[in-house]
Amino acid sequence: NAGVTQTPKFQVLKTGQSMTLQCAQDMNHNSMYWYRQDPGMGLRLIYYSASEGTTDKGEVPNGYNVSRLNKREFSLRLESAAPSQTSVYFCASSERAGSLYNEQFFGPGTRLTVL
Amino acid sequence: KNQVEQSPQSLIILEGKNCTLQCNYTVSPFSNLRWYKQDTGRGPVSLTIMTFSENTKSNGRYTATLDADTKQSSLHITASQLSDSASYICVVTSTSGTYKYIFGTGTRLKVLA
Repeated sequence: NAGVTQTPKFQVLKTGQSMTLQCAQDMNHNSMYWYRQDPGMGLRLIYYSASEGTTDKGEVPNGYNVSRLNKREFSLRLESAAPSQTSVYFCASSERAGSLYNEQFFGPGTRLTVL
Repeated sequence: KNQVEQSPQSLIILEGKNCTLQCNYTVSPFSNLRWYKQDTGRGPVSLTIMTFSENTKSNGRYTATLDADTKQSSLHITASQLSDSASYICVVTSTSGTYKYIFGTGTRLKVLA
């Protein structure tokens, strides 16, 4: 039971390049999330998927797209990377976004540097 | 605006000592408050959850308190260990909207031998 896994762990991109961050969970959770974490700031929600087949924008969606491939997998794509997207990205999942007491389980993160 | 503020930003203590971390929030309507521990290079892991009606909850050497009237919470760590070195994040859940989690910026704790 691996929980939430993310790939890659580290990535360096040049400005303008594209890439996809992968996330998978094996807890049969309905809801999945993508966050970014920057120094001195709390985790900020980029996009989330309350259930398979749905996605919604979070607090900072500009420059990103997401795909809920199936119940297990939720990917985050940067179409044209910018230095401002240098950050640590976390994927998380929870049983059901609408339930108030759901714990979010986080992946180990992807550290992305855009030059 | 819904906000969660934590203090101090960072803290250094000696192994074996106790410490208390603070979390103040302006989230409304309020549902619950979680404390997460985030080790360096890892994702956050939940320590405890406090609901509106709970004042105190313990998880081993971690004790969380909640005062819903003053909108304050604290996390007390007893007899600190080197493994307690981490960031501690306060997350408040609102009953409003589909996405409800408001994250604090965290307190970075360093425990020295």
